[in-house]
Amino acid sequence: AQSVTQPDIHITVSEGASLELRCNYSYGATPYLFWYVQSPGQGLQLLLKYFSGDTLVQGIKGFEAEFKRSQSSFNLRKPSVHWSDAAEYFCAVVLTNDYKLSFGAGTTVTVRA
Amino acid sequence: SAVISQKPSRDICQRGTSLTIQCQVDSQVTMMFWYRQQPGQSLTLIATANQGSEATYESGFVIDKFPISRPNLTFSTLTVSNMSPEDSSIYLCSVEDDADSYNEQFFGPGTRLTVL
Repeated sequence: AQSVTQPDIHITVSEGASLELRCNYSYGATPYLFWYVQSPGQGLQLLLKYFSGDTLVQGIKGFEAEFKRSQSSFNLRKPSVHWSDAAEYFCAVVLTNDYKLSFGAGTTVTVRA
Repeated sequence: SAVISQKPSRDICQRGTSLTIQCQVDSQVTMMFWYRQQPGQSLTLIATANQGSEATYESGFVIDKFPISRPNLTFSTLTVSNMSPEDSSIYLCSVEDDADSYNEQFFGPGTRLTVL
């Protein structure tokens, strides 16, 4: 079955430490890939996207993600986390012949001082 | 990028009533979508709102429960009908403004609905 999986429900990280959020997808073809962030009480903001080309994608707020076709993964990383990065992070995909976003379950990131 | 507003931002409603949520975009867009985010859950697509035709609903969602209007290219409404506590969710609209090829979706701030 087609799916987007975020294995980590909740991650706690110290301010200044690095962060990596995992995302795996299961589709017949490589979909378009996205990472969104939802801060408490806020809507969704796009961090970055991958359609094709360079497999290391730079996004806003210092985030980057790496597409690995062999592992069907699109993991999100940030070298040094700030307290304002505490939020819910969603991986999402769109099939290349469609417009409908499918979301993973989300990962809650808590940042401790 | 498109700027999207939603009204109301939140509401508390009684069981059995209906609520209409408005979504306004600052530019003309082809594709508009409605999502539901139940408490502590991810987002689930309810339907695609098409201008000039009926909305296209996803599995598990029906028009009688979630009627949608799309009178023009900048506006859409979602009605949550005959509400029950299980309808308590955040409802978000989104838009995709490139009809020729997918680019990205922009999301509104959401409407937080509580049904008592």
